[in-house]
Amino acid sequence: AQKVTQAQTEISVVEKEDVTLDCVYETRDTTYYLFWYKQPPSGELVFLIRRNSFDEQNEISGRYSWNFQKSTSSFNFTITASQVVDSAVYFCALSEVRYTGANSKLTFGKGITLSVRP
Amino acid sequence: DAGVIQSPRHEVTEMGQEVTLRCKPISGHDYLFWYRQTMMRGLELLIYFNNNVPIDDSGMPEDRFSAKMPNASFSTLKIQPSEPRDSAVYFCASSLWGYGYTFGSGTRLTVV
Repeated sequence: AQKVTQAQTEISVVEKEDVTLDCVYETRDTTYYLFWYKQPPSGELVFLIRRNSFDEQNEISGRYSWNFQKSTSSFNFTITASQVVDSAVYFCALSEVRYTGANSKLTFGKGITLSVRP
Repeated sequence: DAGVIQSPRHEVTEMGQEVTLRCKPISGHDYLFWYRQTMMRGLELLIYFNNNVPIDDSGMPEDRFSAKMPNASFSTLKIQPSEPRDSAVYFCASSLWGYGYTFGSGTRLTVV
């Protein structure tokens, strides 16, 4: 069975600090996708990134970066120079990939509440 | 594209009443998912469809919950009768074969 663990529940930082959100996953599949979603106070779920299990390259998008390490089953998310607008709940998620390449369900972690203080 | 559209955004109902939540997926997407979000259980999958056919309904909590997808552009999640413990935010998401998932804005259900 799939499982996503986000051990941190709440993180509070001061604006301009860097912050890393941890994600550890479990799956028996060799092919899978990993995701990060952001849920701001308004409540919607905003897609941030998708990574497939064969691509371990780190990715950077502006102030956001992701570190994928299959050896430790981790997919961590770092926000550099955090801003108040980054305050939200962040979810890591995992999905299997069927042998046909088709989608399967997303399994979410419990989420990390990030508060960025001015 | 208008994205995944859910209605209503908020629903307040009395215990015992029937509640129907609606979802219009992104045109062309062949997968549709219903998730429920609560403080205690987080985001959990209730059911998902592929080409309008239910694939996995193991997350549906009990017989009071039912979901249908009569065509590629519409799905409903029905609770009958509703109970206070059904209070949650219900998300619909759609995806295209092999690609990412797009979520709707959610329906906040309160059962009093």
